[in-house]
Amino acid sequence: AQSVTQLGSHVSVSEGALVLLRCNYSSSVPPYLFWYVQYPNQGLQLLLKYTSAATLVKGINGFEAEFKKSETSFHLTKPSAHMSDAAEYFCAVSDSGAGSYQLTFGKGTKLSVIP
Amino acid sequence: DSGVTQTPKHLITATGQRVTLRCSPRSGDLSVYWYQQSLDQGLQFLIQYYNGEERAKGNILERFSAQQFPDLHSELNLSSLELGDSALYFCASSVEEGSYNEQFFGPGTRLTVL
Repeated sequence: AQSVTQLGSHVSVSEGALVLLRCNYSSSVPPYLFWYVQYPNQGLQLLLKYTSAATLVKGINGFEAEFKKSETSFHLTKPSAHMSDAAEYFCAVSDSGAGSYQLTFGKGTKLSVIP
Repeated sequence: DSGVTQTPKHLITATGQRVTLRCSPRSGDLSVYWYQQSLDQGLQFLIQYYNGEERAKGNILERFSAQQFPDLHSELNLSSLELGDSALYFCASSVEEGSYNEQFFGPGTRLTVL
């Protein structure tokens, strides 16, 4: 069974500071990994995804994530936080095995950006 | 705007009642997924349909059922509602089935059971 652990349910950073949101996964087969963002009262929007090509994945809004198999991690980073980045971020995993198409989500990390 | 639409946006009902949530996938997407988001359980996968056929089931209660129609829209039926069913229900769609495919999420239906 696959699972996702997001360390820190709430992260606060100053505007302009580095954003680092942590995600560790567990999967019995090579995983596909996703980061989604949820703004208040909205659905989830895909930031980026890892599908076994490059280990460093660039996404929208200046975010990127690095897949590290040895650490079973897929942490999300952004060099300089902007006020508009305040939202909840979800890491998700999907097995590459046949018949396993659903996403398994972490509990989410709420990002606050302090002006 | 993801292109996935969900109706209604809000639903308030009483325990024991039955409701139907509707989802229209993005144009051309054949696969539809339903997820439940609650404070205690987080985001959980309920069920997936592909081109009208059920493909995968997650933590879906027996009181819940879903279907996908020939025009590819999907409905999630929740019956004998309990207070604990209060949650945000999301529908997502993807072009094909397959775990590498990006899923596009609708804005959700917020269900409140009183």
